[in-house]
Amino acid sequence: NAGVTQTPKFQVLKTGQSMTLQCAQDMNHNSMYWYRQDPGMGLRLIYYSASEGTTDKGEVPNGYNVSRLNKREFSLRLESAAPSQTSVYFCASSENRGIAPLHFGNGTRLTVT
Amino acid sequence: RKEVEQDPGPFNVPEGATVAFNCTYSNSASQSFFWYRQDCRKEPKLLMSVYSSGNEDGRFTAQLNRASQYISLLIRDSKLSDSATYLCVVNIGTNAGKSTFGDGTTLTVKP
Repeated sequence: NAGVTQTPKFQVLKTGQSMTLQCAQDMNHNSMYWYRQDPGMGLRLIYYSASEGTTDKGEVPNGYNVSRLNKREFSLRLESAAPSQTSVYFCASSENRGIAPLHFGNGTRLTVT
Repeated sequence: RKEVEQDPGPFNVPEGATVAFNCTYSNSASQSFFWYRQDCRKEPKLLMSVYSSGNEDGRFTAQLNRASQYISLLIRDSKLSDSATYLCVVNIGTNAGKSTFGDGTTLTVKP
């Protein structure tokens, strides 16, 4: 039982490049989330998917897109990376939106130069 | 004002000490509450849920005060391995589909 798996673990991009962060969970959870964490800023929600087939913006969605591919997978795409998107990205899942605790992946450390 | 506020610390305590963290939240519609632990450069991990009647898990006790809109975490007999950042998390209702994190309180336990 792997829980929440994120790939890649590390990535360096040049400004303007695009990439997709992958996330998969094997806990049969309905809800999935993407957060970013910057030093001194805490975790901020980028997008979430309350259930398969739905996605919604979080606190900081600009510059990102998401796809809930199926119940297991939720990807985050940066279409044109900017230095301000240098951060640690965490994917998370939960059994029931708003009630159950979150289970996090190991994170992706992204640097945009 | 932030929705969820924590004292950032750092709290530096000797082994064996008792330490308490508070977390205040602004939305009275908040329904569920959690404490997470985050080690340096790692993902947050659930430490414990916080129930209305208060709950205990070994050396850790969590309490909720809805009237004053705060939750607390008490750690007794601190261990070196308790050194971490402790995140307070508040969920607002069942339809919001999101959790609001505090910025965390850093604890360092010293020999």
